[in-house]
Amino acid sequence: TQLLEQSPQFLSIQEGENLTVYCNSSSVFSSLQWYRQEPGEGPVLLVTVVTGGEVKKLKRLTFQFGDARKDSSLHITAAQTGDTGLYLCAGDDDYKLSFGAGTTVTVRA
Amino acid sequence: GAVVSQHPSRVICKSGTSVKIECRSLDFQATTMFWYRQFPKQSLMLMATSNEGSKATYEQGVEKDKFLINHASLTLSTLTVTSAHPEDSSFYICSAFSQETQYFGPGTRLLVL
Repeated sequence: TQLLEQSPQFLSIQEGENLTVYCNSSSVFSSLQWYRQEPGEGPVLLVTVVTGGEVKKLKRLTFQFGDARKDSSLHITAAQTGDTGLYLCAGDDDYKLSFGAGTTVTVRA
Repeated sequence: GAVVSQHPSRVICKSGTSVKIECRSLDFQATTMFWYRQFPKQSLMLMATSNEGSKATYEQGVEKDKFLINHASLTLSTLTVTSAHPEDSSFYICSAFSQETQYFGPGTRLLVL
């Protein structure tokens, strides 16, 4: 069984601060994806990382994929209240996704 | 583009009844759709893979006779929770697969009384 562990489980910060959430896998997936999910809604894809050492930027969000392709991080710069949500990483194994438990991020005004 | 809808968005039913949830890809075709379940404060757990024109593939621990999946067309998959019990109360989310990406629906909240 391939497991994805996310940390921290909960994160509460003030608007304007930076934050980083982590995703670590027990094995290698063909790709790793990050999603954001708001209460009562389905997850929305933020980014897919495929290559070891890859760094992708999406406005204030920076995603890194470890060289060994088993760990990843999501860094948010100058967080805004709109960044509040559940951040999920998911490993792609032949197009089947295994999700981590998620990090609940709360950005306070 | 790549919009997936689910119906109903919320449903309340009595214990012992069956509930059908629909998942539609609105602007694309999907030969493969996935069904997930998410309990409160937990992550998404894959229940089954639905393939158009063939039987669904269920994950370990998911009862195929309880969670009936029908993928009758390239834009529609249905999940029927048969003889629902309170422990089946959950958030059910589908996704439709296209061009190497899963597009998720908005989810269906099921409450079994």
